[in-house]
Amino acid sequence: DTGVSQDPRHKITKRGQNVTFRCDPISEHNRLYWYRQTLGQGPEFLTYFQNEAQLEKSRLLSDRFSAERPKGSFSTLEIQRTEQGDSAMYLCASSQSSGMIPYEQYFGPGTRLTVT
Amino acid sequence: KQEVTQIPAALSVPEGENLVLNCSFTDSAIYNLQWFRQDPGKGLTSLLLIQSSQREQTSGRLNASLDKSSGRSTLYIAASQPGDSATYLCAAAYSGAGSYQLTFGKGTKLSVIP
Repeated sequence: DTGVSQDPRHKITKRGQNVTFRCDPISEHNRLYWYRQTLGQGPEFLTYFQNEAQLEKSRLLSDRFSAERPKGSFSTLEIQRTEQGDSAMYLCASSQSSGMIPYEQYFGPGTRLTVT
Repeated sequence: KQEVTQIPAALSVPEGENLVLNCSFTDSAIYNLQWFRQDPGKGLTSLLLIQSSQREQTSGRLNASLDKSSGRSTLYIAASQPGDSATYLCAAAYSGAGSYQLTFGKGTKLSVIP
């Protein structure tokens, strides 16, 4: 197993365009998290999935953001009508869980988004 | 509101020195606490995980402690090396609505001078 992977690693887009990021978790992990990190700050929680169900969304996740995890495997995060304030590193993490209790979170390399 | 604070924001030490990084959290009802390392422009590498029922964890030259009653955790790095230079983040997991999402500090940027 090669760990959590994210694609693309870098994305430059113009304001107003839509972008989509992909995350492939560690294969046996049923929990998947999205975080956002801006320069000089720690990552902030956006949303998480238990298998294919999206169970919680942060207030940071405006209605321009949507996330999916079809079939409980990979996940996508889409941002519509991007704004310059969306420029950040988008991090994906996965973990196993025993029932509703999760174990250690493992992070991917992130997707750095720059909105010009 | 649950908050995690890391002090200092930056630390510079000569190679070979032992050092301690500090992390404090406002809510003692944490589920676990993780320490991460982040290299510039990269993702997070998990270093140590301490469950709320544990007091410390060790991995190689790293030792992390947890004191829930005082709301503090420390990461001890023995015999520091230039390769240890990175930003170190601590993150607390709270049960909350069931997500056990991580609440992060802003990190301590460590520079180990050869």
